[in-house]
Amino acid sequence: GESVGLHLPTLSVQEGDNSIINCAYSNSASDYFIWYKQESGKGPQFIIDIRSNMDKRQGQRVTVLLNKTVKHLSLQIAATQPGDSAVYFCAGTWSGNQFYFGTGTSLTVIP
Amino acid sequence: GAVVSQHPSWVICKSGTSVKIECRSLDFQATTMFWYRQFPKQSLMLMATSNEGSKATYEQGVEKDKFLINHASLTLSTLTVTSAHPEDSSFYICSAKGSALGGELFFGEGSRLTVL
Repeated sequence: GESVGLHLPTLSVQEGDNSIINCAYSNSASDYFIWYKQESGKGPQFIIDIRSNMDKRQGQRVTVLLNKTVKHLSLQIAATQPGDSAVYFCAGTWSGNQFYFGTGTSLTVIP
Repeated sequence: GAVVSQHPSWVICKSGTSVKIECRSLDFQATTMFWYRQFPKQSLMLMATSNEGSKATYEQGVEKDKFLINHASLTLSTLTVTSAHPEDSSFYICSAKGSALGGELFFGEGSRLTVL
């Protein structure tokens, strides 16, 4: 079946360092991806998105890279702060309507 | 950004009762709403896709008679967990997608259901 999955379930980084969270997808027809942040007991919060006609998109302290050749995308967080501690999900769509989520990576920022 | 509101945020009920969770898009018309279930430390599991004015499309393995979804207007979808049992305890999250807003999904804050 189709899937969007993450390589690492947990990630710990020192405050101030950069974080990289990875995501792999299997359907080459996927055309739109979103990264979400979810804090404990809350709903997912949109971080950044990217369409398949792009390979990089930057936001405030975050960058998403898309490599369609190997069907991989990553989320880079610059100067990671304690408030960045959360679970991060990637989501992709290839039906134009439904999104499927990866398993999530739990990011812990060490002060 | 667009706002999606869920209510209640937390509900505790006795086994055998039914619980209704509301999902509202506050500042846009949501042609499509999605309902997810999330267990602790796990990803979101899509339960069903709901289009305004039509029957919801359920994912494989999700009991449609157990989880009743109604999308009566462009701003409101409801999920009713019927005859709830302890195994239905979970975090339920809705998201909404409006055609005028492109492809982005907007999420509610989630509703935690605890069935005693």
